Amino acid sequence: SQQGEEDPQALSIQEGENATMNCSYKTSINNLQWYRQNSGRGLVHLILIRSNEREKHSGRLRVTLDTSKKSSSLLITASRAADTASYFCASSGAGSYQLTFGKGTKLSVIP
Amino acid sequence: EADIYQTPRYLVIGTGKKITLECSQTMGHDKMYWYQQDPGMELHLIHYSYGVNSTEKGDLSSESTVSRIRTEHFPLTLESARPSHTSQYLCASSSQGQGSPTYEQYFGPGTRLTVT
Repeated sequence: SQQGEEDPQALSIQEGENATMNCSYKTSINNLQWYRQNSGRGLVHLILIRSNEREKHSGRLRVTLDTSKKSSSLLITASRAADTASYFCASSGAGSYQLTFGKGTKLSVIP
Repeated sequence: EADIYQTPRYLVIGTGKKITLECSQTMGHDKMYWYQQDPGMELHLIHYSYGVNSTEKGDLSSESTVSRIRTEHFPLTLESARPSHTSQYLCASSSQGQGSPTYEQYFGPGTRLTVT
């Protein structure tokens, strides 16, 4: 399995600060995605980065991918209380539509 | 907000009962998935379907079964519920897209199942 591992497991920051979450995976990937999950809800797709990309931006989100280290990071800038949620990375292998999810990082943004 | 629906949202049921968790999407997606997630933990794929009359088991062994008779509908059935089945069940869908496939999955709100 190419199970991802997120780091840290939990993160607590003040509103306005930046939050960085890291993800590692084990095997070659086609792409890596990040999802957000609010408590007791389904997941919402945030951003996808392909294996031939190194960095991608979407609003306050910045994702990097280092295929040599099999790792990715998600940066949320100028965090808001509404960003409080769990964040999961998910990877898919070549030719596969299936996703393998990491354990997630629980982010708490204190107003 | 994704057009994918799950019912019921919450279910408390006794051991031995047969249950069906419903999942429907109105996006015309050909691919659908069922995940099991314990509180605060990662998602595990238990079933997936790449089209009508196509179903496969996922990485996590599950005693549940699924069917895909219509594109928009992907129900999950437990013939005899047990306390070990207590968990959250998430349904998702994705599309082939035009040209390059799109890998983004759209999730329903989940069904939280408790078996007593």
